[in-house]
Amino acid sequence: QLQLQESGPGLVKPSETLSLTCSVSGVSISSSSYYWGWVRQPPREGLEWIGRVYHSGSTSYNPSLKSRVTISIDTSSSQFSLKLDFVTASDTAVYYCARHDYSSGVTTFDHWGQGILVTVSS
Amino acid sequence: DIQMTQSPSSLSASVGDRVTITCRASERVSTYLNWYQQKPGKAPKLLIYDASSLQSGVPPRFSASGSGTDFTLTISSLQPEDFATFYCQQTYSYPFTFGQGTKLDIK
Repeated sequence: QLQLQESGPGLVKPSETLSLTCSVSGVSISSSSYYWGWVRQPPREGLEWIGRVYHSGSTSYNPSLKSRVTISIDTSSSQFSLKLDFVTASDTAVYYCARHDYSSGVTTFDHWGQGILVTVSS
Repeated sequence: DIQMTQSPSSLSASVGDRVTITCRASERVSTYLNWYQQKPGKAPKLLIYDASSLQSGVPPRFSASGSGTDFTLTISSLQPEDFATFYCQQTYSYPFTFGQGTKLDIK
């Protein structure tokens, strides 16, 4: 059974770097049919796509965050990671990792982690 | 970026009601349109992909249609477990974008 699990600090200071890891089990992270990505949701707000990574290391990012975000993948440990630099209070959100499946021809986010709340505060 | 606009933003309905939620894209997205359901404190769950295809395990009371810029999600007979927030999403072009959400609650 496919599972995704986010981990990382729940509290980050302003101007520092937010770092999260998503551990994938139940499927090969190196499968050619999937990308692996991040979505965030500020409290009481909607969903924002952050970006995605392929097993080759190829990435795509949301332009609104591109200057501050890095998504990387470690296929040997079946994990992928998110780094967001120079965070502010507006980066406070629940961060989800999600599998991007394009095997049907349309990209879908078909499996999600349970989410991790990251608060930016001094 | 392609903007996705849902209507209504909130909706009150009763068990057994038929409800329809609309999603409009600012540009044509063909059928690269997905629908998700999110319950409080939980991750979104994929309901519909490719504008009208039911995800495996999703009850057939959920249906959807549309192409281009206008899409609808219909729940034919609301069940107690259906009350949640629903999001549309386009994956036609980067960055992938979501609608603002439609909160469906019990009347």
